[in-house]
Amino acid sequence: DQQVKQNSPSLSVQEGRISILNCDYTNSMFDYFLWYKKYPAEGPTFLISISSIKDKNEDGRFTVFLNKSAKHLSLHIVPSQPGDSAVYFCAASHTGTASKLTFGTGTRLQVTL
Amino acid sequence: KAGVTQTPRYLIKTRGQQVTLSCSPISGHRSVSWYQQTPGQGLQFLFEYFSETQRNKGNFPGRFSGRQFSNSRSEMNVSTLELGDSALYLCASRMNTEAFFGQGTRLTVV
Repeated sequence: DQQVKQNSPSLSVQEGRISILNCDYTNSMFDYFLWYKKYPAEGPTFLISISSIKDKNEDGRFTVFLNKSAKHLSLHIVPSQPGDSAVYFCAASHTGTASKLTFGTGTRLQVTL
Repeated sequence: KAGVTQTPRYLIKTRGQQVTLSCSPISGHRSVSWYQQTPGQGLQFLFEYFSETQRNKGNFPGRFSGRQFSNSRSEMNVSTLELGDSALYLCASRMNTEAFFGQGTRLTVV
């Protein structure tokens, strides 16, 4: 049972444009969400997070939006840069087991020149 | 500030053997979690240790075990290795809500 889903395995965006990565979840107990960026053969790098008490969190070029009623979150990267090319994972947890992150399957973002 | 350090980076073992992986968390982080990443299953939670005690456990067989030492360093052990255990094993340390990952240990079972 995939509790966190990233339905787009890949996404290609031109440099300078907006990248939008989507994530859906099914477990209503999740109350904390994170986005990680991963290069091959390396560990995930934390990007940005959001608590369920918020609907938006911004950090530089990265903004995460949370729609609790739809159980949907998205990561916006503006403007996209070639160095953003990587696999992006969304992850979710709930307060009771904050250390246990449930990951989506990832979306490979390619930013083209 | 040093990040999460995992050793070794790469490992090749034979079926039936056992293996121990090591993780040194970020200084001051007392929570250490382990994840397995495979192409088919993605990133899956193995277990978490906090103050030398296992606090959470994922759905993995008993062949997968771990421990944490008083300095928060953690080890993960897999006994009776199977081909399907070939994966990238990631360790993450946490102080508050964000988990920070090491570079992982790539285990290949032949």
